[in-house]
Amino acid sequence: AQSVTQLDSQVPVFEEAPVELRCNYSSSVSVYLFWYVQYPNQGLQLLLKYLSGSTLVKGINGFEAEFNKSQTSFHLRKPSVHISDTAEYFCAVSANNAGKSTFGDGTTLTVKP
Amino acid sequence: DSGVTQTPKHLITATGQRVTLRCSPRSGDLSVYWYQQSLDQGLQFLIQYYNGEERAKGNILERFSAQQFPDLHSELNLSSLELGDSALYFCASSSGTGRNGYTFGSGTRLTVV
Repeated sequence: AQSVTQLDSQVPVFEEAPVELRCNYSSSVSVYLFWYVQYPNQGLQLLLKYLSGSTLVKGINGFEAEFNKSQTSFHLRKPSVHISDTAEYFCAVSANNAGKSTFGDGTTLTVKP
Repeated sequence: DSGVTQTPKHLITATGQRVTLRCSPRSGDLSVYWYQQSLDQGLQFLIQYYNGEERAKGNILERFSAQQFPDLHSELNLSSLELGDSALYFCASSSGTGRNGYTFGSGTRLTVV
């Protein structure tokens, strides 16, 4: 079985500042890793995914994440945030070819002017 | 439009009643997942169907049931509703291998009064 821990439930930052949202996972098998974003009153939208290969993956809206196998982490970063990035962010893990993803509890990113 | 269609968007019903939530997956996706999202419980996995068959079961109450039909649309049936069942119910779809993550619908907001 897999599990996901998002280390921060809330992250407040000022506009144009960098941000990192932290995610650790545990699994006994190889996994796929994902970050999703949920804007208010909307469904979740896939931001980026790691399947294999390069450990730095780039996603939509200027976000990127780095897979660290030794630390079992998949932290999400953005060098300069905008007000419009205010949303909830979910990290998820899926065992290879198993289909079902396990989601973390979410991190609320609030960008202040 | 994500390609996953959920109806209805909003539902208000009384305790003890039964409701049916409907989901049409993105074209080509064989797997459908149901999730419940509430403020205190976060995103809870309920059940997964793949090409008409139940594949995985999560924290789904016995009062809840689901099915996936030959045309791949899915229905989630909630019966003997309680106030605590008030939540956002999301449907997501995927190819079934887990590689591409999920495509989420916009959800059904259920309010039990």
